[in-house]
Amino acid sequence: DADVTQTPRNRITKTGKRIMLECSQTKGHDRMYWYRQDPGLGLQLIYYSFDVKDINKGEISDGYSVSRQAQAKFSLSLESAIPNQTALYFCATSDSGGAGELFFGEGSRLTVL
Amino acid sequence: AQSVAQPEDQVNVAEGNPLTVKCTYSVSGNPYLFWYVQYPNRGLQFLLKYITGDNLVKGSYGFEAEFNKSQTSFHLKKPSALVSDSALYFCAVRDGGSQGNLIFGKGTKLSVKP
Repeated sequence: DADVTQTPRNRITKTGKRIMLECSQTKGHDRMYWYRQDPGLGLQLIYYSFDVKDINKGEISDGYSVSRQAQAKFSLSLESAIPNQTALYFCATSDSGGAGELFFGEGSRLTVL
Repeated sequence: AQSVAQPEDQVNVAEGNPLTVKCTYSVSGNPYLFWYVQYPNRGLQFLLKYITGDNLVKGSYGFEAEFNKSQTSFHLKKPSALVSDSALYFCAVRDGGSQGNLIFGKGTKLSVKP
């Protein structure tokens, strides 16, 4: 089983719908992240959480919200999806030290029509 | 502010030839530098990192990278490319003196032809 699991892997929805992307991890890491990947733009940080009670906005948080339900679970919500939120979304985890690398899930491809 | 640049959108190499994927960075403190690889329809996988110590860092799949402080670079290298190395490569940097997050470059597509 994967260390970082994202569901769903693919989702097609319509403008205005609410969407939730879920992430769970078995790494035992405190830190969890949500990134968005668009072709030619690299990865942009949406939200990050250093522990269950610590949630922070990243570079592009507008239009998104998150919930850290437990150490192992971190979900991303789009309250009212719009077409320019069509992208590949990645969840990642890391340990508490700044030198630790990120461990990524396989991604959730979201298409908003 | 910290930033990272990958000046080449694509690098083309013949199988068996050496490859280099370039990365330059800007941070105010000591840099923590990382390389990741992304295969099609997959998440990013960690290749190697430089935190401190020896400027030449060895990583997975025969890759290595050289930290050059004066040129603020961290180029990824491999002595002999394989077709299976074809993928998207990302350089990332974090300011080691702060709680700042990892900043990613835009990625370089490596294409290795037989």
